Amino acid sequence: ETGVTQTPRHLVMGMTNKKSLKCEQHLGHNAMYWYKQSAKKPLELMFVYNFKEQTENNSVPSRFSPECPNSSHLFLHLHTLQPEDSALYLCASSQDHPQPQHFGDGTRLSIL
Amino acid sequence: SQQGEEDPQALSIQEGENATMNCSYKTSINNLQWYRQNSGRGLVHLILIRSNEREKHSGRLRVTLDTSKKSSSLLITASRAADTASYFCASINDYKLSFGAGTTVTVRA
Repeated sequence: ETGVTQTPRHLVMGMTNKKSLKCEQHLGHNAMYWYKQSAKKPLELMFVYNFKEQTENNSVPSRFSPECPNSSHLFLHLHTLQPEDSALYLCASSQDHPQPQHFGDGTRLSIL
Repeated sequence: SQQGEEDPQALSIQEGENATMNCSYKTSINNLQWYRQNSGRGLVHLILIRSNEREKHSGRLRVTLDTSKKSSSLLITASRAADTASYFCASINDYKLSFGAGTTVTVRA
């Protein structure tokens, strides 16, 4: 148990669907992150939130929309995704940015 | 953009042997972190080394940092089957964090 919970663990969706990934941390951390992990590629940092404010957006396409309603919850809203968006999406948190992070076990996303 | 790069991409060793993997980065750093990822799980933080440190130990792990060569190494001594995982370095420079593609380590019984 890492203290960071991601749901769902697996998600299959069509390109025209809209879905959301959820992340919750029980560690009292102030920073939260979304990453994309594809096979044989470096982990890609997508978004950073520090004290609920977005501090980093690494040129992520607008079909990915993050939301951080409070410091314990982070969402990633998905719409009209492409097949190349199939990957493992990891959420992480840290006391502050960029201190060592605690990761969830990810959501395996498959786009049909 | 990718900052850290691990080498080798994959490593297979016998239980009890040592495993060494390297990480190179491109710009100056504030600190460098190493993580482990078991199959189907998230990353777990192992150790952080600051830019003014040269070596750090944690249990069977030893990390070195050579800022003149912009490189770090992770040594796992007396490896066990449970050490089978992917290992990633993450370089941190001015709040910018970059991970490499990782080294996959397989420990054979």
